[in-house]
Amino acid sequence: DTGVSQNPRHKITKRGQNVTFRCDPISEHNRLYWYRQTLGQGPEFLTYFQNEAQLEKSRLLSDRFSAERPKGSFSTLEIQRTEQGDSAMYLCASSSGHTDTQYFGPGTRLTVL
Amino acid sequence: DQQVKQNSPSLSVQEGRISILNCDYTNSMFDYFLWYKKYPAEGPTFLISISSIKDKNEDGRFTVFLNKSAKHLSLHIVPSQPGDSAVYFCAASNNYGQNFVFGPGTRLSVLP
Repeated sequence: DTGVSQNPRHKITKRGQNVTFRCDPISEHNRLYWYRQTLGQGPEFLTYFQNEAQLEKSRLLSDRFSAERPKGSFSTLEIQRTEQGDSAMYLCASSSGHTDTQYFGPGTRLTVL
Repeated sequence: DQQVKQNSPSLSVQEGRISILNCDYTNSMFDYFLWYKKYPAEGPTFLISISSIKDKNEDGRFTVFLNKSAKHLSLHIVPSQPGDSAVYFCAASNNYGQNFVFGPGTRLSVLP
């Protein structure tokens, strides 16, 4: 399967802990996006990378959130000092250009207790 | 303030009939629109797109219509099949594909 993969699929953590998620995009895609989706809502844009450069960050991305794509391939999203409001599905998508379709991974469901 | 609205949270349609899913947007700068379908426990899957220079785009059973003056687009599925039962998201961008804004989704149920 050469689609977008995300790990872990589920993460349960206690408030105040740090968590890190990983996204592996489709190999030839140079754009990588992170979204957050809460119940009953559509995905909300968080940030995107073109190769290793982080080109845009949403105001939703507080200073507790950091994303990296060090070699322009996989990406990580870290949330420090998690809060219950961070509970959501975190989706990653990739595309080969800004006019091209974004292909989504299955998401990582985060539950903060 | 939601820039992309899908005012019907759910829709039920009989198999073989037409499904029409609606989407309204407020930002007149949006120039590229997509529809995604999402099954439970999976990420959204791209269905069809349309740019603001067109008013219609077809792909098999799926047709998207864009009315720029009304800031409205719709997705028509004909004929509807039980496998089409999913949540459908409308998304819009004002940079031809950068940072999409998604609507809240419409859950379509196609009844056999």
